[in-house]
Amino acid sequence: NAGVMQNPRHLVRRRGQEARLRCSPMKGHSHVYWYRQLPEEGLKFMVYLQKENIIDESGMPKERFSAEFPKEGPSILRIQQVVRGDSAAYFCASSPPGLPDEQFFGPGTRLTVL
Amino acid sequence: DAKTTQPTSMDCAEGRAANLPCNHSTISGNEYVYWYRQIHSQGPQYIIHGLKNNETNEMASLIITEDRKSSTLILPHATLRDTAVYYCIVRVYNNQGGKLIFGQGTELSVKP
Repeated sequence: NAGVMQNPRHLVRRRGQEARLRCSPMKGHSHVYWYRQLPEEGLKFMVYLQKENIIDESGMPKERFSAEFPKEGPSILRIQQVVRGDSAAYFCASSPPGLPDEQFFGPGTRLTVL
Repeated sequence: DAKTTQPTSMDCAEGRAANLPCNHSTISGNEYVYWYRQIHSQGPQYIIHGLKNNETNEMASLIITEDRKSSTLILPHATLRDTAVYYCIVRVYNNQGGKLIFGQGTELSVKP
């Protein structure tokens, strides 16, 4: 059973461009979480999704950030009009139904905004 | 979710037991203690969790005091690959899932 997959692993964008980060949860997992880790800082929760539903988005910035987890395909974290302060590592985690609290993390996407 | 307090850093000799403390004096009766670790530049890794009884798995043991105000994660035979930041997280367990709130953690350095 493959682990949580994230792509790309590294992403470079110029200010004002869009960034799309993808997360494929482990097989059978229907819960997805996104976390952000700014340089030299701790991990911060961003959003929690189940298939086609956003359950908790209390950690998402109010503007430019959005997330989805469609019925088919990976979860997408989208950042519009990126700024330098968006440079960070973005981690996705998934958990299975019935055991939502054991979250399995992916390797992360390192976003660099020039 | 209850707040946790951990030492900023610790050292441990390779092959010895690493004992990582965590204080959670405001923990509620329905809150579990979770431990995760993050090896440099990698995604966090789940280690263990417990409510009030001591727990053991292939990675570690979790000792929770009787009053549940503190706990200790024990890595019985630390190796160099156990060098990482260890996070103690206290939160409610429910079937609706929920976010993990990471503190600053303990940076464990295992030395040869």
